[in-house]
Amino acid sequence: GAVVSQHPSWVICKSGTSVKIECRSLDFQATTMFWYRQFPKQSLMLMATSNEGSKATYEQGVEKDKFLINHASLTLSTLTVTSAHPEDSSFYICSTPGTGRSETQYFGPGTRLLVL
Amino acid sequence: AQTVTQSQPEMSVQEAETVTLSCTYDTSESNYYLFWYKQPPSRQMILVIRQEAYKQQNATENRFSVNFQKAAKSFSLKISDSQLGDTAMYFCAFMKPPGDSNYQLIWGAGTKLIIKP
Repeated sequence: GAVVSQHPSWVICKSGTSVKIECRSLDFQATTMFWYRQFPKQSLMLMATSNEGSKATYEQGVEKDKFLINHASLTLSTLTVTSAHPEDSSFYICSTPGTGRSETQYFGPGTRLLVL
Repeated sequence: AQTVTQSQPEMSVQEAETVTLSCTYDTSESNYYLFWYKQPPSRQMILVIRQEAYKQQNATENRFSVNFQKAAKSFSLKISDSQLGDTAMYFCAFMKPPGDSNYQLIWGAGTKLIIKP
């Protein structure tokens, strides 16, 4: 089946640094990518939707200058947390319906970010 | 706007028992998709089952089945012969037809299911 990878799976960084999270579709093309963050014992919160070759659409309350999303190719989307602070510590997940226009989403395994 | 409600924050049952997780949703759409996703301790999201609203027949996948009541806007998940590996967070999700939604999912708050040996 379709596979989505995320890198890194686990990152610890100092406050004020930037962290880039990569999401790759390994055997299919991903026109659209969703980025979520998830706090412990809570549901997924959609942060933004990226479409290959165009600017991402951010959900209300999500700072686009803090959470930079790039979707430059059909197999790679990146989320950069700029000037990270402890409150940015969370679990970040990407998902995509692929280009087969399947109603089923394919999820990355997630990235656990801890900002000290 | 669409909303999804899961009223059971946590449930626990003995191994081999049957358990039903509830989900209700609110929408004015006539056609849509409903999903149950499982998130085990690894936190990898796994599709359990999906239902298309225009299909009257309830979806089944091995030990997993749904009770889809369109008029009541209810979409419960039944797990038969529960196994220890079923221990996970379970999320109910709603999606409008792709042309109207860009495949965006609306998520419930989740139910933590614990299967006890």
